Amino acid sequence: SQKIEQNSEALNIQEGKTATLTCNYTNYSPAYLQWYRQDPGRGPVFLLLIRENEKEKRKERLKVTFDTTLKQSLFHITASQPADSATYLCALMNTGFQKLVFGTGTRLLVSP
Amino acid sequence: AAGVIQSPRHLIKEKRETATLKCYPIPRHDTVYWYQQGPGQDPQFLISFYEKMQSDKGSIPDRFSAQQFSDYHSELNMSSLELGDSALYFCASSLVQGDINEQFFGPGTRLTVL
Repeated sequence: SQKIEQNSEALNIQEGKTATLTCNYTNYSPAYLQWYRQDPGRGPVFLLLIRENEKEKRKERLKVTFDTTLKQSLFHITASQPADSATYLCALMNTGFQKLVFGTGTRLLVSP
Repeated sequence: AAGVIQSPRHLIKEKRETATLKCYPIPRHDTVYWYQQGPGQDPQFLISFYEKMQSDKGSIPDRFSAQQFSDYHSELNMSSLELGDSALYFCASSLVQGDINEQFFGPGTRLTVL
């Protein structure tokens, strides 16, 4: 069955460091991979989308890589800030389908 | 900028009751999605509509039904509520342009079934 796994344990880092979150998937061939941020009790907020034929995408302090051979995406936040503390969800989408299939999410805690 | 509006924000129901959740997408968005997120869980896709027609269906119980109206707002109807239906229900909308499908999520409706 399809499975999308993210670090289940919270990631604790110090302000100013780079946070790296991992998303691994099995039994899936997504056309797109997206990263969302979710704060407690609120809806997910779109951050970045990367296509299957793209290796890397950047947006300000965010960087996403997508390795379809390893079936893995890495999400980096450089110069992290306490305001970056949240749960980060990766989500996959198939070609021809519109629904998002979410990973389990990783909680990031950035300490001042 | 206008965002996705959901109502009510909080809803408390008894077992076996019925609930109706409403979603108002961002103006000009043509697709609406419903997701259910249980405590500590990731959002699970329920159902979607494109131009008022059901476009995809996920793990939505038979007790639930949904539709999209002519003004593009959508309603999720839930009957014979069970304790396990307690969750956050998110609506998202998007405007499909080529292969881009960024979904904008609403604030969610927190449903508690007692």
